[in-house]
Amino acid sequence: AQKVTQAQTEISVVEKEDVTLDCVYETRDTTYYLFWYKQPPSGELVFLIRRNSFDEQNEISGRYSWNFQKSTSSFNFTITASQVVDSAVYFCALSESDSWGKLQFGAGTQVVVTP
Amino acid sequence: DVKVTQSSRYLVKRTGEKVFLECVQDMDHENMFWYRQDPGLGLRLIYFSYDVKMKEKGDIPEGYSVSREKKERFSLILESASTNQTSMYLCASSLPLLGKNTIYFGEGSWLTVV
Repeated sequence: AQKVTQAQTEISVVEKEDVTLDCVYETRDTTYYLFWYKQPPSGELVFLIRRNSFDEQNEISGRYSWNFQKSTSSFNFTITASQVVDSAVYFCALSESDSWGKLQFGAGTQVVVTP
Repeated sequence: DVKVTQSSRYLVKRTGEKVFLECVQDMDHENMFWYRQDPGLGLRLIYFSYDVKMKEKGDIPEGYSVSREKKERFSLILESASTNQTSMYLCASSLPLLGKNTIYFGEGSWLTVV
């Protein structure tokens, strides 16, 4: 069975603060894929990153960075110097290797950035 | 750019009506998915398809059916809409998850059943 936990329901920050979103997953597969998506108020899910289980290298993309820790089954996401445009719901998701790309989503974390 | 298009953004239907939600992708993807999104529950998989005329149940298929007659189109059908099917519905498509392929979503369809 798969399970993805995003324990933070909502995080509120003031612009320019850093914010870290936690994601903990459970799977018995040795090969799996982790994703982060952003959902702005318009509703569309915007792909942010995909990480393969066999690649533990952390990644930085502009103000976004991801910390993949296989030992603790976590895939955390940090927004540095947050901006109002970062206000959205962020979802962490897991897909196992033989699941045809089916995604198991966490409940999502609402990020509110105020000026 | 990959484009996943959902035919209706907002729908209001009456209880008992038959409802069709259409999804079209333009990147020749084999896999297509229908998810439902509810507050506090994230997205849950209703059905998916890995080829034309092929379909598999997801986690919450009850009350829904699907159709995939052409590779680019995946339809979600509510045979007899009920108020507990009021929700946001998201379609997605992908190639097999090899290499760096990812999963792309449409803009979503907000369905209200009254």
